[in-house]
Amino acid sequence: GESVGLHLPTLSVQEGDNSIINCAYSNSASDYFIWYKQESGKGPQFIIDIRSNMDKRQGQRVTVLLNKTVKHLSLQIAATQPGDSAVYFCAENMNSGYSTLTFGKGTMLLVSP
Amino acid sequence: GEEVAQTPKHLVRGEGQKAKLYCAPIKGHSYVFWYQQVLKNEFKFLISFQNENVFDETGMPKERFSAKCLPNSPCSLEIQATKLEDSAVYFCASSHNQEGPTDTQYFGPGTRLTVL
Repeated sequence: GESVGLHLPTLSVQEGDNSIINCAYSNSASDYFIWYKQESGKGPQFIIDIRSNMDKRQGQRVTVLLNKTVKHLSLQIAATQPGDSAVYFCAENMNSGYSTLTFGKGTMLLVSP
Repeated sequence: GEEVAQTPKHLVRGEGQKAKLYCAPIKGHSYVFWYQQVLKNEFKFLISFQNENVFDETGMPKERFSAKCLPNSPCSLEIQATKLEDSAVYFCASSHNQEGPTDTQYFGPGTRLTVL
């Protein structure tokens, strides 16, 4: 079945908890970063983005933190809800003419009621 | 439209057969991207277009894969002589930025290709 070869890091939380999903990106020249949420059977859904001239950006219930020194990106979800259960991917991009999004490995978030 | 549309949702092909996938980007978006996702894991970039011109094709397998974005038609990704390892979900994304595709990419629902 589909589980063969699938070894996603998993974060399990209780409803109402805050969740933190981490991502180490690969290219120090990347200057644009996006978090996507992918629910089963669906395409990636944009959550929040951040450019390299910022270290923090807040949305509704979500915050992205960027640490360029250690090439680390995190997504914080406040008051996690069962509907937040999904696989979360970070992606990076360079504004240098080579513009492809490079995706990191996903993290599965499981929220229990 | 307001969303990226992809057809068909599912496609089943016997090994060696041709597969053709379609993508309609969000209206007004000038960049289109194709990605391959195997087993819900990482996304592999295939090719991107700026309007009808190939922008970056560094991810495209050279021999069996081809893609087009023609004016007034959906973009297409075609696989000649499919192989078992082509089984994956193929996603199309589009973005708007006129200075380059360093802008948010919005994804379609994907086409699941199963090669038997």
